Amino acid sequence: EIVLTQSPGTLSLSPGERATLSCRASQSISSLYLGWLQQKPGQAPRLLIYGASSRATGIPDRFSGSGSGTDFTLTISRLEAEDFAVYYCQQYLTSPHTFGQGTKVEIK
Amino acid sequence: QVQLVQSGAEVKKPGASVRVSCKTSGYSFSSYGISWVRQAPGQGLEWMGWISPYGNTKYAQNVQGRVTLTTDTSARIAYMELRSLTSDDTAVYFCARAYSATSPSDRLDSWGQGTLVTVSS
Repeated sequence: EIVLTQSPGTLSLSPGERATLSCRASQSISSLYLGWLQQKPGQAPRLLIYGASSRATGIPDRFSGSGSGTDFTLTISRLEAEDFAVYYCQQYLTSPHTFGQGTKVEIK
Repeated sequence: QVQLVQSGAEVKKPGASVRVSCKTSGYSFSSYGISWVRQAPGQGLEWMGWISPYGNTKYAQNVQGRVTLTTDTSARIAYMELRSLTSDDTAVYFCARAYSATSPSDRLDSWGQGTLVTVSS
């Protein structure tokens, strides 16, 4: 099983600041099979990024993804009020399609 | 627009079974798979399995043998049945559209609203 470890666990930032979230895999993953999702309390997750760097439909360009191999990054260039949420990375290369434990982005 | 609408909350006793439905609309059901993901209270996301529109399945090992995924292609509905429930199965269960109809290895681009399943004696 591929283990995904996200850091930090919590990120305390102000609106307008830049957020950088990390996802490290226990073994190398083709970037084709790495995604990022956002989840707000009481809601279903929403796909932000797939293939490590492609934005899903309707996702604003302040969200960007990068990385390869075992290290991947989600960057939110300028945080807006609606971006405070929990973010998960997911690999869908091999079964089980594991998720990271999540990074909570909270208002400082 | 793409919609996945799940059935309502369930309360079950330990040892019982539960079936959750996921009714889809707004896209060609035969062109995408469906994955199921669950989330225990206050916890992260756990992938359970995937089904193609024609019934090919892939299950996570930790639920294999207790879970069955099925589809009714004519009605555009996917089902998840979980048997021999324990308190550890208390969670919100999500269905999600998988971008490929032929492989589980693809992104989950639209999600149902979730169904809370509570297992309690």
